[in-house]
Parts: sequence; C-alpha cells; structure tokens
Amino acid sequence: SQTIHQWPATLVQPVGSPLSLECTVEGTSNPNLYWYRQAAGRGLQLLFYSVGIGQISSEVPQNLSASRPQDRQFILSSKKLLLSDSGFYLCAWSLVPGAGGGYTFGSGTRLTVV
Amino acid sequence: GNSVTQMEGPVTLSEEAFLTINCTYTATGYPSLFWYVQYPGEGLQLLLKATKADDKGSNKGFEATYRKETTSFHLEKGSVQVSDSAVYFCALRGGTSYGKLTFGQGTILTVHP
Repeated sequence: SQTIHQWPATLVQPVGSPLSLECTVEGTSNPNLYWYRQAAGRGLQLLFYSVGIGQISSEVPQNLSASRPQDRQFILSSKKLLLSDSGFYLCAWSLVPGAGGGYTFGSGTRLTVV
Repeated sequence: GNSVTQMEGPVTLSEEAFLTINCTYTATGYPSLFWYVQYPGEGLQLLLKATKADDKGSNKGFEATYRKETTSFHLEKGSVQVSDSAVYFCALRGGTSYGKLTFGQGTILTVHP
C-alpha cells in the first residue's frame, strides 16, 4: 500500500535561518507531488507541484523553493525564513493520470518562525 | 479557471443535530468533486468523492451528491457526533486545471455534547 511521510512534525526557527522540509512517498512510482501551506485560520494554498524528477512548478512567488531529487522525494526549502513563512505545511501525492483521483496528504509540519 | 466556494463558518451544532455544509463550484467540463476532513493538528483525509453528475459519495454517515445543474456538492450528515468536530474542505479536480486540486476555504465544525 502507498504511504506518505513528512517530517519534522513541528519546527520552530528564527527569522533569517534556512529551512528544509522533506516528504517521501512509498509504494508507488512517478507520482505527482504537491506542497501546500495553510496559514492560521485560512484555507490551503498550493505552493509547488511536480510531475517528475527535477520538474517543479511554482504557483505563487515567495521566499520558498522546492526540489525533487528522486522520484518519490519532495523537499521544500528556504535560504532565509521570514515571519510570514509561519504556517502548517502539507505534502501530498496523486497518481498520474487521473483527474478522478484525489490526493493523499501527509500529516503536516507546523512551522513557527520567531 | 476553477474555483470552489464553501459556506462560511464556523458552524456550531449540538450532538445528534443535522449538518449541511454548502459547496458550489465553477469549472468547465466534468470535474471530480471531493470532501476532505482535517482533525485538529492533523493533515487532510479524504472523506468522500464523486466523479460524475448525480453520483453520491458517502462515508462515515456523511453524504454528498454531485449536482451538475446547480454546480453544487453539499455535505450532509443526519446526526453529528462530538468526534465530527473538524475543518471540512470541498475540492475539485479537473476542468481547466487538470491534475491540480482546487480547495474551498474550509468550514470549521464544532459539535457540543
């Protein structure tokens, strides 16, 4: 069966420090991968998605970047965190093709920038 | 492009009350529709889905029917429990944004004993 792992679960980082959040998927090949951010009290914002190794699409301009060094690994990074980067970050995967299928989400990382 | 609009919350109910959370969408073609649930401090879980018009998705006592004529996918449950307290997200996939899931803003549900 397919599983998705996301870590760490919580993170407190000072302003200006770097960030690296990792997401891995098991039990499937060539998934679509996604990073979402959920700010406190607000909805989900799609940050990046990837349809293959090294292929990253950015949905919104921001202080973050994403990379996909392996088929089932998706990394969210920042060189210098801002206070506004605080939020709940969710990784997800879906099968390709298949608009009929939903996403499977990881358990999320709560990031607090202080 | 695609968009999803959910009723604004928060919604507060007593246990065993009837629940409706409205969801309407805008999309071309024939998108698939989903309801996700997020319990406190957790990621999102797929609650139910429908992939074509008039389909009814159901799970854990929750139901939603894909209504193409009204572009709606309202979530209902006949008798809510305290454990149903969570944030509920309506979403669609397909239409003009094939492959990407478009979410509504989420509705916070609180059920009191």
